[in-house]
Amino acid sequence: GQNIDQPTEMTATEGAIVQINCTYQTSGFNGLFWYQQHAGEAPTFLSYNVLDGLEEKGRFSSFLSRSKGYSYLLLKELQMKDSASYLCAVRSYDNYGQNFVFGPGTRLSVLP
Amino acid sequence: DTEVTQTPKHLVMGMTNKKSLKCEQHMGHRAMYWYKQKAKKPPELMFVYSYEKLSINESVPSRFSPECPNSSLLNLHLHALQPEDSALYLCASSQETGIKYYGYTFGSGTRLTVV
Repeated sequence: GQNIDQPTEMTATEGAIVQINCTYQTSGFNGLFWYQQHAGEAPTFLSYNVLDGLEEKGRFSSFLSRSKGYSYLLLKELQMKDSASYLCAVRSYDNYGQNFVFGPGTRLSVLP
Repeated sequence: DTEVTQTPKHLVMGMTNKKSLKCEQHMGHRAMYWYKQKAKKPPELMFVYSYEKLSINESVPSRFSPECPNSSLLNLHLHALQPEDSALYLCASSQETGIKYYGYTFGSGTRLTVV
């Protein structure tokens, strides 16, 4: 099985930087994804890591350490529209095929 | 076309009704998924179809019945649902296998209310 953990809620100020952590335990690991989900909407893809290190994409960066089962999403220059839930999801393979499981999500509130 | 289209967007049904949710994609993705999401919870995987064959069924009650008529379409047939089945039902698709990222694309969901 899989065990994925994230902080439940975070608050940050407009213009600041925030780091959202995700820890996981799984076998057959094959990638970690970050998604953003605004209330009532579908998740939208933010980033993907399968090798150790940092992936940068504009204001968003994601880091992965496979040996530690750890990832973080870094959001810079926060904007009000960044208030949303941030979901990390782990892809893995087992005898039955591909699994893609979401963590519990972190609700981020950006304050003026 | 880079979208996953779900219909209907909203559905209210009684516990004795039979209804179907539909999902369509034309990106050539060969894996399609149904997720259920309750308020303030992450999406939970229900079913995975790979090359039109059901590959994963996450112990979902039989009142939910998936169907994949072809590589572009995925249906979820609903029968004798309970009020606790009210949720947002999300469809997603992706390319299958390989270490490259092919992208999970989600539809906008069907908000289901069972009365």
